[in-house]
Amino acid sequence: GAGVSQSPSNKVTEKGKDVELRCDPISGHTALYWYRQSLGQGLEFLIYFQGNSAPDKSGLPSDRFSAERTGGSVSTLTIQRTQQEDSAVYLCASSLQGLMVNEQFFGPGTRLTVL
Amino acid sequence: QKEVEQDPGPLSVPEGAIVSLNCTYSNSAFQYFMWYRQYSRKGPELLMYTYSSGNKEDGRFTAQVDKSSKYISLFIRDSQPSDSATYLCAMKRGAQKLVFGQGTRLTINP
Repeated sequence: GAGVSQSPSNKVTEKGKDVELRCDPISGHTALYWYRQSLGQGLEFLIYFQGNSAPDKSGLPSDRFSAERTGGSVSTLTIQRTQQEDSAVYLCASSLQGLMVNEQFFGPGTRLTVL
Repeated sequence: QKEVEQDPGPLSVPEGAIVSLNCTYSNSAFQYFMWYRQYSRKGPELLMYTYSSGNKEDGRFTAQVDKSSKYISLFIRDSQPSDSATYLCAMKRGAQKLVFGQGTRLTINP
């Protein structure tokens, strides 16, 4: 079965440009998460979608960051006017709602480099 | 101060050694404690989880939680080169949000 997929796997952009990162969750998973992992750092929570509920955006570091999830499936994370400090690996995860442990399945990530 | 503290290492041990990985935390509301393993250039994958205090064993891996000390551990027995990875502890509060440690990079030398 297909896992979580992310595209592109690598993205190099110039400071000030906008980027879009895509996540395809596991089919049937109602919850979707975005994290950021900087070099040598743990996972920093960015945003969480659950079904039709309003997303939890509490982790977004600035208003340059936004995300949407269309049709309860695919999600896009957009970073506007990228800065060098945005360079990191952006990880997407999905999970089934209702499980107590709520295991999150991660994609391979998008490695973003802002020059 | 971060909610979850984890020594980033790197940690390098010979094959066959017992490995001990640890995290401390400050939020007593955490109930579920997880260990994720992340190979280079891959996403993390859930290795083990425990609920509240106690031990849980799965093959060569043992997860231990001490809520009174706010301290969790992962032990790896008979370590193998294939265990070389970054190990992240994570803790669950509320309904969905996980809080991760920094991750410890582990290398098992043949």
